[in-house]
Amino acid sequence: DIQMTQSPSSLTASLGDRVTITCRASQSIDNFLNWYQQKPGRAPTLLIYSSSSLQTGVPSRFSGIGYGTEFTLTITNLQPEDFASYYCQQSYIMPRTFGQGTRVEI
Amino acid sequence: QVHLVQSGAEVKKPGSSVKVSCKTSGGTINSYGLAWVRQAPGQGLEWVGGIIPMFGKPSYPQKFHGRVTITADKSTSTTYMELRNLRSDDTAMYYCARASRCEYDHWGQGTLVTVSS
Repeated sequence: DIQMTQSPSSLTASLGDRVTITCRASQSIDNFLNWYQQKPGRAPTLLIYSSSSLQTGVPSRFSGIGYGTEFTLTITNLQPEDFASYYCQQSYIMPRTFGQGTRVEI
Repeated sequence: QVHLVQSGAEVKKPGSSVKVSCKTSGGTINSYGLAWVRQAPGQGLEWVGGIIPMFGKPSYPQKFHGRVTITADKSTSTTYMELRNLRSDDTAMYYCARASRCEYDHWGQGTLVTVSS
């Protein structure tokens, strides 16, 4: 199975900050990398697919980049509603696997 | 508008089975993949398995082989996830999700499965 490793596992930030989360795959997954946001008590929602494509309705302050084994999710101008957990997921091969998550806190 | 609506919470004894349903409305399931993802309390997301109803053949991680079965009823646009021989560490919120291309763009509301003696 492909292991997905996110860093950091948690971070503290302030409104207006720029935040970067890294996701590393244990082998190349081309650009088959998706990012999800999850708020407490809610189902995850898709933010970015195929490494860098913004899902419809997601604010442009979210961006993703990467190919192969290293990927990043960047949030610029952090807003109150962005305080949540973020997960990367590879969709290159079965079984699908997720990173362990990154909690963004105030 | 696509909606995935899951069945209600379940409380089960260790060693028993649970079957959770996920009904898709606002679209057909024939052309999409459907997956089940679980989240233990305070933990991250774990892929339980998936199916493409058009092809019918499900896929599971090795960890769940022999204990989980995912099926799809195209006539009712409903997907099912059955987990057998339940253990306490199966206690989790179970989500269904629809795959558009390779990413999960629609999610159910979650079904809490509690395993307790």
